Amino acid sequence: DIQMTQSPSTLSASVGDRVTITCRASQSISSWLAWYQQKPGKAPKLLIYKASSLQSGVPSRFSGSGSGTEFTLTISSLQPDDFATYHCQQYNSYSLTYTFGQGTRLEIK
Amino acid sequence: EVQLVESGGGLVKPGGSLRLSCAASGFTFSSYAMNWVRQAPGKGLEWVSSISTGSSYIYYADAVRGRFTISRDSARNSLFLQMNSLRAEDTAVYYCARVANQYHVDFWGQGILVTVSS
Repeated sequence: DIQMTQSPSTLSASVGDRVTITCRASQSISSWLAWYQQKPGKAPKLLIYKASSLQSGVPSRFSGSGSGTEFTLTISSLQPDDFATYHCQQYNSYSLTYTFGQGTRLEIK
Repeated sequence: EVQLVESGGGLVKPGGSLRLSCAASGFTFSSYAMNWVRQAPGKGLEWVSSISTGSSYIYYADAVRGRFTISRDSARNSLFLQMNSLRAEDTAVYYCARVANQYHVDFWGQGILVTVSS
Protein backbone atom coordinates (compact mmCIF):
# COMPACT_ATOMS: atom_id res chain seq x y z
CA ASP A 1 0.00 0.00 0.00
CA ILE A 2 1.11 3.55 -0.71
CA GLN A 3 1.87 5.63 2.37
CA MET A 4 1.62 9.43 2.41
CA THR A 5 3.72 11.50 4.80
CA GLN A 6 3.08 15.19 5.36
CA SER A 7 5.47 17.66 6.93
CA PRO A 8 5.43 19.53 9.12
CA SER A 9 2.63 18.27 11.37
CA THR A 10 2.13 21.77 12.72
CA LEU A 11 3.18 25.07 11.20
CA SER A 12 3.05 28.46 12.89
CA ALA A 13 2.93 31.48 10.61
CA SER A 14 1.71 35.06 10.38
CA VAL A 15 -0.70 36.82 8.07
CA GLY A 16 1.17 37.72 4.89
CA ASP A 17 3.72 34.91 5.18
CA ARG A 18 4.49 32.51 2.36
CA VAL A 19 4.14 28.93 3.58
CA THR A 20 4.88 25.55 2.07
CA ILE A 21 3.59 22.14 3.13
CA THR A 22 5.19 18.97 1.82
CA CYS A 23 3.65 15.59 1.08
CA ARG A 24 5.77 12.54 0.22
CA ALA A 25 4.53 9.28 -1.25
CA SER A 26 6.15 5.94 -0.47
CA GLN A 27 6.25 5.19 -4.22
CA SER A 28 5.62 7.15 -7.37
CA ILE A 29 2.06 8.34 -7.84
CA SER A 30 2.74 10.42 -10.96
CA SER A 31 0.59 13.53 -10.47
CA TRP A 32 -2.33 11.83 -8.76
CA LEU A 33 -2.41 14.07 -5.72
CA ALA A 34 -5.01 16.35 -4.20
CA TRP A 35 -4.91 18.90 -1.39
CA TYR A 36 -7.80 19.74 0.96
CA GLN A 37 -8.40 22.43 3.56
CA GLN A 38 -10.41 21.57 6.66
CA LYS A 39 -11.62 23.86 9.40
CA PRO A 40 -12.74 22.60 12.83
CA GLY A 41 -16.11 20.88 12.72
CA LYS A 42 -16.37 21.24 8.94
CA ALA A 43 -15.98 18.98 5.95
CA PRO A 44 -12.78 19.13 3.89
CA LYS A 45 -12.73 21.45 0.90
CA LEU A 46 -10.87 20.64 -2.31
CA LEU A 47 -8.09 23.10 -3.17
CA ILE A 48 -5.81 21.39 -5.69
CA TYR A 49 -6.09 18.24 -7.81
CA LYS A 50 -3.76 16.50 -10.25
CA ALA A 51 -0.91 17.97 -8.15
CA SER A 52 -1.17 21.48 -9.58
CA SER A 53 -4.69 22.14 -10.90
CA LEU A 54 -6.54 24.78 -8.92
CA GLN A 55 -10.14 23.88 -8.11
CA SER A 56 -12.67 26.41 -9.38
CA GLY A 57 -13.35 29.16 -6.87
CA VAL A 58 -10.16 28.63 -4.86
CA PRO A 59 -8.02 31.78 -4.47
CA SER A 60 -4.93 31.97 -6.65
CA ARG A 61 -2.66 32.37 -3.61
CA PHE A 62 -2.93 28.58 -3.31
CA SER A 63 -0.70 26.56 -5.62
CA GLY A 64 0.50 22.98 -5.87
CA SER A 65 3.54 21.42 -7.46
CA GLY A 66 5.44 18.17 -7.72
CA SER A 67 5.23 14.76 -9.29
CA GLY A 68 6.41 11.26 -8.55
CA THR A 69 6.93 11.09 -4.80
CA GLU A 70 7.32 14.68 -3.61
CA PHE A 71 4.65 17.35 -3.65
CA THR A 72 4.15 20.79 -2.16
CA LEU A 73 1.25 23.06 -1.35
CA THR A 74 2.18 26.74 -1.23
CA ILE A 75 0.14 29.64 0.08
CA SER A 76 1.77 32.76 -1.29
CA SER A 77 0.46 35.27 1.25
CA LEU A 78 -1.43 33.92 4.24
CA GLN A 79 -4.84 35.38 4.94
CA PRO A 80 -6.74 35.07 8.24
CA ASP A 81 -9.16 32.60 6.64
CA ASP A 82 -6.30 30.23 5.74
CA PHE A 83 -5.57 29.05 9.27
CA ALA A 84 -6.84 25.47 9.11
CA THR A 85 -5.66 21.89 8.69
CA TYR A 86 -4.42 20.78 5.28
CA HIS A 87 -4.55 17.20 4.02
CA CYS A 88 -2.93 15.60 0.99
CA GLN A 89 -4.51 12.59 -0.70
CA GLN A 90 -3.20 10.20 -3.31
CA TYR A 91 -5.52 8.56 -5.81
CA ASN A 92 -5.23 6.88 -9.20
CA SER A 93 -6.98 6.27 -12.48
CA TYR A 94 -7.29 2.46 -12.24
CA SER A 95 -8.96 1.83 -8.87
CA LEU A 96 -11.09 3.85 -6.50
CA THR A 97 -8.66 3.62 -3.61
CA TYR A 98 -7.26 6.55 -1.69
CA THR A 99 -4.68 7.35 0.97
CA PHE A 100 -4.45 10.52 3.01
CA GLY A 101 -1.50 12.15 4.69
CA GLN A 102 -1.78 12.69 8.43
CA GLY A 103 -2.57 16.39 8.04
CA THR A 104 -0.76 19.68 8.70
CA ARG A 105 -2.24 22.13 11.16
CA LEU A 106 -1.51 25.72 10.16
CA GLU A 107 -1.78 27.99 13.19
CA ILE A 108 -1.35 31.65 13.87
CA LYS A 109 2.06 32.64 15.25
CA GLU B 1 -25.97 23.34 -5.90
CA VAL B 2 -24.30 20.04 -5.05
CA GLN B 3 -25.54 18.66 -1.72
CA LEU B 4 -24.63 15.49 0.14
CA VAL B 5 -26.51 14.90 3.39
CA GLU B 6 -25.58 12.01 5.66
CA SER B 7 -27.92 10.40 8.16
CA GLY B 8 -28.17 7.30 10.33
CA GLY B 9 -25.33 7.91 12.76
CA GLY B 10 -25.48 7.63 16.51
CA LEU B 11 -24.38 5.60 19.51
CA VAL B 12 -24.06 1.84 19.15
CA LYS B 13 -22.57 -0.87 21.36
CA PRO B 14 -19.48 -2.84 20.31
CA GLY B 15 -20.52 -5.67 18.03
CA GLY B 16 -23.60 -3.79 16.91
CA SER B 17 -24.68 -2.57 13.49
CA LEU B 18 -25.59 0.73 11.92
CA ARG B 19 -26.60 1.81 8.42
CA LEU B 20 -25.52 5.20 7.13
CA SER B 21 -27.33 6.93 4.28
CA CYS B 22 -26.27 9.81 2.06
CA ALA B 23 -28.85 11.75 0.07
CA ALA B 24 -27.42 13.41 -3.02
CA SER B 25 -28.85 16.35 -4.94
CA GLY B 26 -27.78 19.05 -7.35
CA PHE B 27 -25.98 16.71 -9.75
CA THR B 28 -26.57 13.55 -11.78
CA PHE B 29 -25.87 11.01 -9.03
CA SER B 30 -25.76 8.02 -11.37
CA SER B 31 -22.81 9.54 -13.28
CA TYR B 32 -20.43 9.74 -10.32
CA ALA B 33 -18.52 7.22 -8.27
CA MET B 34 -18.90 7.78 -4.54
CA ASN B 35 -16.85 7.32 -1.37
CA TRP B 36 -17.14 7.05 2.36
CA VAL B 37 -14.32 8.67 4.33
CA ARG B 38 -14.06 8.84 8.11
CA GLN B 39 -12.24 10.92 10.68
CA ALA B 40 -11.73 9.70 14.24
CA PRO B 41 -11.83 12.41 16.93
CA GLY B 42 -8.71 14.54 16.69
CA LYS B 43 -7.26 12.39 13.92
CA GLY B 44 -6.70 12.61 10.18
CA LEU B 45 -8.89 11.50 7.32
CA GLU B 46 -9.19 7.79 6.49
CA TRP B 47 -10.69 6.44 3.28
CA VAL B 48 -13.26 3.70 4.04
CA SER B 49 -14.91 2.51 0.83
CA SER B 50 -15.71 3.41 -2.79
CA ILE B 51 -18.33 2.35 -5.32
CA SER B 52 -18.33 2.91 -9.06
CA THR B 53 -21.20 4.43 -11.02
CA GLY B 54 -22.94 1.15 -11.82
CA SER B 55 -21.83 -0.61 -8.61
CA SER B 56 -19.61 -2.92 -10.66
CA TYR B 57 -16.47 -1.92 -8.81
CA ILE B 58 -16.38 -1.75 -5.03
CA TYR B 59 -13.34 -1.20 -2.84
CA TYR B 60 -12.76 -1.29 0.92
CA ALA B 61 -10.00 -0.29 3.27
CA ASP B 62 -8.41 -3.25 5.04
CA ALA B 63 -9.71 -1.96 8.39
CA VAL B 64 -13.35 -2.45 7.38
CA ARG B 65 -13.30 -5.19 4.74
CA GLY B 66 -15.65 -8.02 5.68
CA ARG B 67 -17.58 -5.85 8.16
CA PHE B 68 -18.81 -2.89 6.08
CA THR B 69 -20.83 -2.96 2.86
CA ILE B 70 -21.21 -0.02 0.50
CA SER B 71 -24.15 0.24 -1.88
CA ARG B 72 -26.04 2.80 -3.91
CA ASP B 73 -29.54 3.34 -5.28
CA SER B 74 -29.44 5.68 -8.25
CA ALA B 75 -33.25 5.76 -8.45
CA ARG B 76 -33.25 7.30 -4.97
CA ASN B 77 -30.03 9.31 -5.46
CA SER B 78 -28.66 7.66 -2.34
CA LEU B 79 -25.47 6.08 -1.06
CA PHE B 80 -25.36 3.66 1.84
CA LEU B 81 -22.86 2.12 4.24
CA GLN B 82 -23.94 -0.92 6.22
CA MET B 83 -21.62 -1.28 9.21
CA ASN B 84 -21.60 -4.57 11.13
CA SER B 85 -19.47 -5.92 13.98
CA LEU B 86 -18.65 -2.38 15.02
CA ARG B 87 -15.61 -1.72 17.19
CA ALA B 88 -14.55 1.18 19.38
CA GLU B 89 -11.97 2.13 16.75
CA ASP B 90 -14.77 2.71 14.23
CA THR B 91 -15.84 5.76 16.24
CA ALA B 92 -15.55 8.69 13.84
CA VAL B 93 -17.30 11.29 11.77
CA TYR B 94 -18.26 9.59 8.52
CA TYR B 95 -18.32 11.66 5.34
CA CYS B 96 -20.04 10.87 2.08
CA ALA B 97 -17.94 12.20 -0.80
CA ARG B 98 -18.23 12.48 -4.56
CA VAL B 99 -15.51 11.31 -6.94
CA ALA B 100 -14.88 13.78 -9.75
CA ASN B 101 -14.43 12.67 -13.33
CA GLN B 102 -10.67 13.01 -12.89
CA TYR B 103 -10.76 10.53 -9.97
CA HIS B 104 -10.10 12.90 -7.06
CA VAL B 105 -12.74 13.62 -4.43
CA ASP B 106 -14.31 16.97 -5.18
CA PHE B 107 -17.23 17.39 -2.83
CA TRP B 108 -18.01 16.24 0.71
CA GLY B 109 -21.10 16.03 2.87
CA GLN B 110 -21.15 17.66 6.29
CA GLY B 111 -20.46 14.36 8.06
CA ILE B 112 -22.28 12.21 10.61
CA LEU B 113 -20.93 11.01 13.94
CA VAL B 114 -20.81 7.32 14.77
CA THR B 115 -19.88 6.43 18.34
CA VAL B 116 -19.17 2.84 19.31
CA SER B 117 -19.19 2.48 23.07
CA SER B 118 -20.69 0.32 25.77
